[in-house]
Amino acid sequence: GAGVSQTPSNKVTEKGKYVELRCDPISGHTALYWYRQSLGQGPEFLIYFQGTGAADDSGLPNDRFFAVRPEGSVSTLKIQRTERGDSAVYLCASSAGGTSGRAGEQFFGPGTRLTVL
Amino acid sequence: SQQGEEDPQALSIQEGENATMNCSYKTSINNLQWYRQNSGRGLVHLILIRSNEREKHSGRLRVTLDTSKKSSSLLITASRAADTASYFCATVGGTSYGKLTFGQGTILTVHP
Repeated sequence: GAGVSQTPSNKVTEKGKYVELRCDPISGHTALYWYRQSLGQGPEFLIYFQGTGAADDSGLPNDRFFAVRPEGSVSTLKIQRTERGDSAVYLCASSAGGTSGRAGEQFFGPGTRLTVL
Repeated sequence: SQQGEEDPQALSIQEGENATMNCSYKTSINNLQWYRQNSGRGLVHLILIRSNEREKHSGRLRVTLDTSKKSSSLLITASRAADTASYFCATVGGTSYGKLTFGQGTILTVHP
């Protein structure tokens, strides 16, 4: 079946603009995660959804970042007033999850490369 | 913030040789996972080892976990050029909901 998809694959924007990044998880996966990866680094956790609710948003760097998952499937990461330091690859992952939280394998999308000029 | 460190940062070997990568972490974990990342296939899960396990095998992969030293190693035997990629360890903390905390990765280059 289809894997995790993310759109757009590349996004170039100007400092101060608003952007939305979309993630389509694997069908039936209840857990969805957003990570951010800078060049030469490992991915860093941003936010985790179990169903429609954000179970852990401790990784969001500041209040310019927000994410939603209104129907428990597709998720959108929203960044307001973008800054050059927001430039990175934004990765989405999903897993079968479960309320016990004992996560196993996560399936990652190809990422959205965000460049803020 | 990154959970731990990986060692070495870069590794270059010939096809057929074994590759060993090490990972250290700082806090208690529920499980530790290894992922591979290359430009062609993105980030792919390789193997998961739980905190009560000491060793696990999957094909040419062997993972060990020493919770007393807070360290893990990934061994790839009989390496192939196609194994060229970045390898990351990632931990799931004991009280987290499964979020992964990644190391900085090891860049492996296998020369044909």
